[in-house]
Amino acid sequence: GNSVTQMEGPVTLSEEAFLTINCTYTATGYPSLFWYVQYPGEGLQLLLKATKADDKGSNKGFEATYRKETTSFHLEKGSVQVSDSAVYFCALVNGGSQGNLIFGKGTKLSVKP
Amino acid sequence: GAGVSQSPSNKVTEKGKDVELRCDPISGHTALYWYRQSLGQGLEFLIYFQGNSAPDKSGLPSDRFSAERTGGSVSTLTIQRTQQEDSAVYLCASSFGVIDSEQYFGPGTRLTVT
Repeated sequence: GNSVTQMEGPVTLSEEAFLTINCTYTATGYPSLFWYVQYPGEGLQLLLKATKADDKGSNKGFEATYRKETTSFHLEKGSVQVSDSAVYFCALVNGGSQGNLIFGKGTKLSVKP
Repeated sequence: GAGVSQSPSNKVTEKGKDVELRCDPISGHTALYWYRQSLGQGLEFLIYFQGNSAPDKSGLPSDRFSAERTGGSVSTLTIQRTQQEDSAVYLCASSFGVIDSEQYFGPGTRLTVT
């Protein structure tokens, strides 16, 4: 079945460092891909999405490109801030008619000043 | 506008008791999803409603779990005879459509079974 694999955390970076969180997927066809973020004490929020191959999703300085050749959707940000500290989840829409999301295990990011 | 709300925010129950978790989706959202977030299993999909109908219940972990949705709005997830392995955060999400529609998540209900 469909699945998502993302790099294990935790990831600790200094402010203004470059961030990459790797995400690869296994799926039938070309499902839409998402990054969700969970800030401390808050619910899951959509960060960005891409609906087809070569699409680039972007939001709040974060970017991810849908790469069908490598079945990847890596999250990047050029300069992280302390406020980016959160847990990041890569996800895809499952096949069929339900549209449920399949999530990776999550990567906890801590940014130090 | 109002987002997805869930109640209670926290629930502590004794093993063997029944619990009911409630989700109020965003008004006008026809699709509603339940997920479970636990340390060991990550985020798992439980069940999906389109309107009041749940076409596939195979994601529910056992027959102790059931869910319903009424009036195309509020949904309740019921766990009967709770077990310690049911301890998790139960998340509800709603969306306007199904495929490719953004799912908006509620804050979750943290269930602890003692």
